[in-house]
Amino acid sequence: QVQLVQSGAEVKKPGASVKVSCKASSYTFTSYGISWVRQAPGQGLEWMGWISGYNDNTHYAQKVQGRVTMTTDTSTSTAYMELRSLRSDDTAVYYCARSRSISPFDAFDIWGQGTMVTVSS
Amino acid sequence: EFVLTQSPGTLSLSPGERATLSCRASQSVSSSYLAWYQHKPGQAPRLLIYGTSSRATGIPDRFSGSGSGTDFTLTISRLEPEDFAVYYCHQYGSSPRTFGQGTKVEIK
Repeated sequence: QVQLVQSGAEVKKPGASVKVSCKASSYTFTSYGISWVRQAPGQGLEWMGWISGYNDNTHYAQKVQGRVTMTTDTSTSTAYMELRSLRSDDTAVYYCARSRSISPFDAFDIWGQGTMVTVSS
Repeated sequence: EFVLTQSPGTLSLSPGERATLSCRASQSVSSSYLAWYQHKPGQAPRLLIYGTSSRATGIPDRFSGSGSGTDFTLTISRLEPEDFAVYYCHQYGSSPRTFGQGTKVEIK
């Protein structure tokens, strides 16, 4: 079945970087986009950005622009999200989510299982 | 930035009852770009409704969406035990995409 499988939990120190992977299966990766959404403990959902599975075009949220890089590897149908200069308020569950189409402006119909990233000294 | 405000924060209902969840936007949202998700603890969010009123694949017809402009509604006609969860509205027509803060539907 169509699914996104994310990498495992990470614990990082403030100032470090983290890179989360999201491997897609059972669909044509280049026909859809991937967004990254995070949820801090006890908080709601926050969109971080979107990347095209076709041509690597990206849209980043202003809040994380400059600290985040989203990439893809079409040979393995995998999307990556790297967040640098980590702070304690980056502690959250990070989700990748497939857009319903290649458009950057579409709802998210398939979600990964989530990756817990903890930033602590 | 589009701010989405959901109400109520918590809805306490019994199985079989009707749930009406509201989502109000700080500025007009094209009805093509409003979605609703269901989120249960420890699980990934699940797309219920996109384009204001279109049900996603496999979503039962007890879930329906409506609205336009700045006011949108998710209705669950008869609550099933598996429907107790947190629900988020989401606008995806402009950057940044934004979510409401969520409405928790709990068992009364």
